[in-house]
Amino acid sequence: GAVVSQHPSWVICKSGTSVKIECRSLDFQATTMFWYRQFPKQSLMLMATSNEGSKATYEQGVEKDKFLINHASLTLSTLTVTSAHPEDSSFYICSARVHLGQGNGYTFGSGTRLTVV
Amino acid sequence: DQQVKQNSPSLSVQEGRISILNCDYTNSMFDYFLWYKKYPAEGPTFLISISSIKDKNEDGRFTVFLNKSAKHLSLHIVPSQPGDSAVYFCAAAQTGANSKLTFGKGITLSVRP
Repeated sequence: GAVVSQHPSWVICKSGTSVKIECRSLDFQATTMFWYRQFPKQSLMLMATSNEGSKATYEQGVEKDKFLINHASLTLSTLTVTSAHPEDSSFYICSARVHLGQGNGYTFGSGTRLTVV
Repeated sequence: DQQVKQNSPSLSVQEGRISILNCDYTNSMFDYFLWYKKYPAEGPTFLISISSIKDKNEDGRFTVFLNKSAKHLSLHIVPSQPGDSAVYFCAAAQTGANSKLTFGKGITLSVRP
């Protein structure tokens, strides 16, 4: 149980275009989802916390107008990279909070490799 | 300021031996800790967790030890298998309504046959 499906798994786009990444909770309702970014051989850096029905909370240094997050339903959160540039190329991963403090409270999607050319 | 630190970038172990992966944290408010295994271009897979009310949690070949006074935890894998070769991330959280994970940089484990 508690599966998160992330789509697409990889995408190549031209500089200046926008790309949308979807994250779906398949068998549970996710009121809170998280979006991470990982550079090669680096840690998973939290970009923002997405709460269903409200505005996302962005981490310091993350441009909210650049990385648009929408969490309109309990099973879907989307991350849109607007006007993408080569420096946005990275591995993006979503996560959902399943429950708190016991066992595995966070389940992850399989990630999206974004390459901007 | 990195709140979760995995100071060793890599570890190589012979198959059948013990792998010990270390993690340190600085935020004393963290009270829940997790270990994840990750392959390239995939999302992290949960391995094992521990609450700050415990000092040890065991699940099969995986054991996590927590030393709160030293703000240190470690993951022991016994016996190590070649399939364990991957990147291991330590993560920490402060439980509560706004809980979120803070990750270390990860350590690459290589288990030699």
